[in-house]
Amino acid sequence: EAQVTQNPRYLITVTGKKLTVTCSQNMNHEYMSWYRQDPGLGLRQIYYSMNVEVTDKGDVPEGYKVSRKEKRNFPLILESPSPNQTSLYFCASSFDGRDSPLHFGNGTRLTVT
Amino acid sequence: GENVEQHPSTLSVQEGDSAVIKCTYSDSASNYFPWYKQELGKRPQLIIDIRSNVGEKKDQRIAVTLNKTAKHFSLHITETQPEDSAVYFCAARAFMNYGGSQGNLIFGKGTKLSVKP
Repeated sequence: EAQVTQNPRYLITVTGKKLTVTCSQNMNHEYMSWYRQDPGLGLRQIYYSMNVEVTDKGDVPEGYKVSRKEKRNFPLILESPSPNQTSLYFCASSFDGRDSPLHFGNGTRLTVT
Repeated sequence: GENVEQHPSTLSVQEGDSAVIKCTYSDSASNYFPWYKQELGKRPQLIIDIRSNVGEKKDQRIAVTLNKTAKHFSLHITETQPEDSAVYFCAARAFMNYGGSQGNLIFGKGTKLSVKP
């Protein structure tokens, strides 16, 4: 089944403890992206990648890192999480990042205390 | 950069009525306009999209219209049903077919649609 898989679905952590949210797609998509969703603010892009080894900042990149060493994987790294990063995170991919549909993962609900 | 405004933020309709959600965008170079539906606790999913060379597109009970001059586009849902209840997001992007920098896909803040039986 074609899909975007994120793990974990739920994560509770403490301030400053490094964490990684994994994202993998099995559709051979070139484009991958991370969004955070907060009430009243919609979906805001954190980072995106047009292809392997090519990443770029979105609208809210502060406090996050990403890497794209393989086409299928696009992990999101929080080196030192803070409470304002408590949010619902979505990974998404599309064929070429132009006018092809975005496929979203199931989301990761992160709580930082 | 691109900015997308979406209205209304909440919309309540009776089953069978029509619902209209409107979005405006700021970047005249934007040429791709998708709409996503997010049911409670689930991921956003594409329901329809339109490109700037088309003024209107329909798919059964949903349709999208685009006015490039005014820089706004709208989602129309006819004969609404309770299962249409969800949050709807519009988005806009400027893309190029032959390389060059690609604009980000920028989302509106969402419209929570409630369809009352």
